[in-house]
Amino acid sequence: GEDVEQSLFLSVREGDSSVINCTYTDSSSTYLYWYKQEPGAGLQLLTYIFSNMDMKQDQRLTVLLNKKDKHLSLRIADTQTGDSAIYFCAEATGGFKTIFGAGTRLFVKA
Amino acid sequence: NAGVTQTPKFRVLKTGQSMTLLCAQDMNHEYMYWYRQDPGMGLRLIHYSVGEGTTAKGEVPDGYNVSRLKKQNFLLGLESAAPSQTSVYFCASSYGARQETQYFGPGTRLLVL
Repeated sequence: GEDVEQSLFLSVREGDSSVINCTYTDSSSTYLYWYKQEPGAGLQLLTYIFSNMDMKQDQRLTVLLNKKDKHLSLRIADTQTGDSAIYFCAEATGGFKTIFGAGTRLFVKA
Repeated sequence: NAGVTQTPKFRVLKTGQSMTLLCAQDMNHEYMYWYRQDPGMGLRLIHYSVGEGTTAKGEVPDGYNVSRLKKQNFLLGLESAAPSQTSVYFCASSYGARQETQYFGPGTRLLVL
């Protein structure tokens, strides 16, 4: 069935780059997303990529998509303590169905 | 412009009690969604609505009912709460079916004893 998997925890030092990885199973995905959740808050859309793209860059964020391996990554350059949060990978499989991963908790050490 | 708001923020229920969670959005969005978030799992869609007066089942609809009497409001009801419904509930809305524009509320934390 449809599934999105991501590692549960990542720790980096302030100023380093963070790379959060995600794998998905549905090859018919149309959109792939990265959401950020800060403590006590709802999810906030960070960025998304169409399935026909390989890369998307938005300021400090770079999204890479490898459709062959069904692998999505989010790179955060110059990671700051304010980037500490849970990051969710998600895929839209058509219609109204969005499959979310369990989230990667990013911890940034000062 | 408050975006998506949810009430209450936190609630404790006893098994068998009922309650209604309210979601409101002021962005004139057509589509609204209810998700639940459990530890170690991603969000799972409970019910959704594609417009005023319409609702549809999501991935985990059992034990929940919804209503969309007004475009700006989407209510989630638990008729007889069970401990398995202990979770954090998120409402979201979007302008269209392109889900890259979903906006989420802050969540309602529900504990069923």
